[in-house]
Amino acid sequence: DAGVIQSPRHEVTEMGQEVTLRCKPISGHNSLFWYRQTMMRGLELLIYFNNNVPIDDSGMPEDRFSAKMPNASFSTLKIQPSEPRDSAVYFCASSDGQANSPLHFGNGTRLTVT
Amino acid sequence: QKEVEQNSGPLSVPEGAIASLNCTYSDRVSQSFFWYRQYSGKSPELIMSIYSNGDKEDGRFTAQLNKASQYVSLLIRDSQPSDSATYLCAVIGPSGNTPLVFGKGTRLSVIA
Repeated sequence: DAGVIQSPRHEVTEMGQEVTLRCKPISGHNSLFWYRQTMMRGLELLIYFNNNVPIDDSGMPEDRFSAKMPNASFSTLKIQPSEPRDSAVYFCASSDGQANSPLHFGNGTRLTVT
Repeated sequence: QKEVEQNSGPLSVPEGAIASLNCTYSDRVSQSFFWYRQYSGKSPELIMSIYSNGDKEDGRFTAQLNKASQYVSLLIRDSQPSDSATYLCAVIGPSGNTPLVFGKGTRLSVIA
């Protein structure tokens, strides 16, 4: 099992540019989560999907953020336009969707917006 | 709004001692509780889960849950320098299917 795969591992971009983060969940997992981690705010849930359908996006900070899951094996998180305050580590996680199932995290994408 | 509170630390303990990590949560109907360990620059990894009041032991780790006090803790016996990491407490709601809400974590440093 390859685990949750995220790309890129690091992203450095200038303010105003579009950023796209990618995630491949564990095969067979039907729930996918995007979290953002900063020192100040810890791990915050941005959005999650069940069976490719967005269930709760109330954590998405602004309209500049959008997420898609076109199929069971791929999801993207897009920021357009990016701002320096978006700098953080973005984690994707998946689970099998069963009650009380733990999350399996990817290695994260460290985003720096200058 | 569910809240999970942890002391940020750092918590420093000598090698071989017991490290005690604490967590409180605001939603009384929370059902399940997890402890994740996160090494610097790495992703969180699950080390313990607990669902019922009382203690649950797994090797050197013991999770303790008190739902009446809305309190969950993690004890690490015979602490090792390799245990130095940030420990995240996470809570899930009553249905069991809502996403995990994480505390900000407690940084543990085990001094050799």
